[in-house]
Amino acid sequence: QKEVEQDPGPLSVPEGAIVSLNCTYSNSAFQYFMWYRQYSRKGPELLMYTYSSGNKEDGRFTAQVDKSSKYISLFIRDSQPSDSATYLCAMRFYNQGGKLIFGQGTELSVKP
Amino acid sequence: DAGVTQSPTHLIKTRGQHVTLRCSPISGHKSVSWYQQVLGQGPQFIFQYYEKEERGRGNFPDRFSARQFPNYSSELNVNALLLGDSALYLCASSLGSDYTTDTQYFGPGTRLTVL
Repeated sequence: QKEVEQDPGPLSVPEGAIVSLNCTYSNSAFQYFMWYRQYSRKGPELLMYTYSSGNKEDGRFTAQVDKSSKYISLFIRDSQPSDSATYLCAMRFYNQGGKLIFGQGTELSVKP
Repeated sequence: DAGVTQSPTHLIKTRGQHVTLRCSPISGHKSVSWYQQVLGQGPQFIFQYYEKEERGRGNFPDRFSARQFPNYSSELNVNALLLGDSALYLCASSLGSDYTTDTQYFGPGTRLTVL
């Protein structure tokens, strides 16, 4: 079993839709949770960073963490074609700042 | 401000050869981490260096090695290349001083093809 599971998609939605991306993890020792966006043939770009259960909002993006269920989500409101990319969840332990454990990534396509 | 830079952008090698990849972190960042991303997969941690010392190592063979220089730039070396080493190699930098709040910022990567 992988430490972090993420549905690879692909996921296709119409412009303006609400998108929900999810990851589950097996190790309850993970303390910090991130979402990265990766455009084709580019490096990952940090979108959201959270460390506690609950919701964190930034513009059209909301990150949700449920540590009791070992489940994290990213919601994108009013999705745009420019949101078309691969979304990677990542997490790390308390004292291993440089070692991120990534999910497989979900490929998202937003159609105009 | 310049982000993380990596060189070269692309590289083609043959099996058995050796390769050196280079990374310059964001100004002020003292930590560099290396990741391997195979097509269709998430990045996988290889090494972290902080203040020229190895701080962490992933589950990769000894053919992979790295070092960090006094200016905090870094090199990743891979010996005896295998076809399976073909991947996007990503470098990430962070401040590194407080690992409880450290945030990784990635470069564009070096795409390595092994023939």
